[in-house]
Amino acid sequence: SYVLTQPPSVSVAPGQTASITCEKNNIESKSVHWYQQKPGQAPVLVVYDDSDRPSGIPERFSGSNSGNTATLTISRVVAGDEADYYCQVSDSTGDHVVFGGGTKLTVL
Amino acid sequence: QVQLMESGGGVVQPGRSLRLSCTASGFSFRSFGMHWVRQAPGKGLEWVAVAWYNERNIYYGDSVQGRFTVSRDNSKSTLYLHMNSLRVEDTAVYFCARGPGQLARLMDVWGQGTSVTVSS
Repeated sequence: SYVLTQPPSVSVAPGQTASITCEKNNIESKSVHWYQQKPGQAPVLVVYDDSDRPSGIPERFSGSNSGNTATLTISRVVAGDEADYYCQVSDSTGDHVVFGGGTKLTVL
Repeated sequence: QVQLMESGGGVVQPGRSLRLSCTASGFSFRSFGMHWVRQAPGKGLEWVAVAWYNERNIYYGDSVQGRFTVSRDNSKSTLYLHMNSLRVEDTAVYFCARGPGQLARLMDVWGQGTSVTVSS
């Protein structure tokens, strides 16, 4: 089994850009998915397959994946973006799923 | 609209069993893989298991392998999680989530979760 490493916390001022990383050796060989979870709520998919957005997710949310690092970028951050964010990958055979440890985004 | 609703959580003693259910509506349940994911109090998300759309391919996380069993009844649009030999460390909120695509590699719709507490 492998580990996805995320920073425990990221802080950003309103209107600025937040970047949340997810690290694993050669992560670029996998599709990375990102979830947002607010306190007391279920997770919500915000980016899938590295950089695609589900319908209803603002364009401010974007993703990239290169080398050993996948990144979730949130532009023009607002107070409502404050949440925990998790990256996730699956084995190529679909028989194993791994989540990153999560990053708490604080909007200052 | 697409919805998932978990039920069956509660307080149970260590070593006992519990069955969770996840009832789906608003989509063709038999066409989607389904996941169980849990979250211990104050902790991150942990993948528990996945059942592919075909009802034959079911896979488990290392921490529950051999103790938990997933089944699905496509005629009732319901996913089950049979939890045996429960441990204190199984205490968590358990979510079911829909996994689109043949290999169900991501989770695009989530239920609100059901709480399981394992305590003597």
